[in-house]
Amino acid sequence: GQNIDQPTEMTATEGAIVQINCTYQTSGFNGLFWYQQHAGEAPTFLSYNVLDGLEEKGRFSSFLSRSKGYSYLLLKELQMKDSASYLCAPHSGGGADGLTFGKGTHLIIQP
Amino acid sequence: DTEVTQTPKHLVMGMTNKKSLKCEQHMGHRAMYWYKQKAKKPPELMFVYSYEKLSINESVPSRFSPECPNSSLLNLHLHALQPEDSALYLCASSQDYPGPYEQYFGPGTRLTVT
Repeated sequence: GQNIDQPTEMTATEGAIVQINCTYQTSGFNGLFWYQQHAGEAPTFLSYNVLDGLEEKGRFSSFLSRSKGYSYLLLKELQMKDSASYLCAPHSGGGADGLTFGKGTHLIIQP
Repeated sequence: DTEVTQTPKHLVMGMTNKKSLKCEQHMGHRAMYWYKQKAKKPPELMFVYSYEKLSINESVPSRFSPECPNSSLLNLHLHALQPEDSALYLCASSQDYPGPYEQYFGPGTRLTVT
């Protein structure tokens, strides 16, 4: 089974930095996905971490610590369009396995 | 083309109706998925198809019947649904082995059961 924990909601200011945490306990682990979902839209892929450490991709970075069962998504230079839900999904299988998402973090960006 | 299309966008059906949701992708992906999403909740996996064969069924009630007629198409047949089945139904696709690979999601079908 899986136990995935994320904060339900976070608020940040335009231009600032925000860190969204995800802790997980899984029976197996290969890597961790982060997806973004705007209200009323489909989820879109942000990152996939396999190795420990920080991976940077433009304004978004994702960090993984396999030994601690911990990941975070770091969003810099926040823009209003970053208001969305952010979903983490630890992955334990291979190939076509489907995703089990955490409950998601609803991020609100204020001017 | 990195698009997954789903039809219809919206569907209202009665509890005695039979209807189908359709999903299509032309990215050459051999894995396709159905998810169900209720308001303010994350998507929940329902079914996985790998090379047109059902590989995962997450204990979904039999009133939901998936079908994968070919590698580009995925259907979800609905029959005798309950009001609590009202939700957004998302289709996704990805490459398959060795994986894992990012999944591309369609915009969803918003289903209302009356």
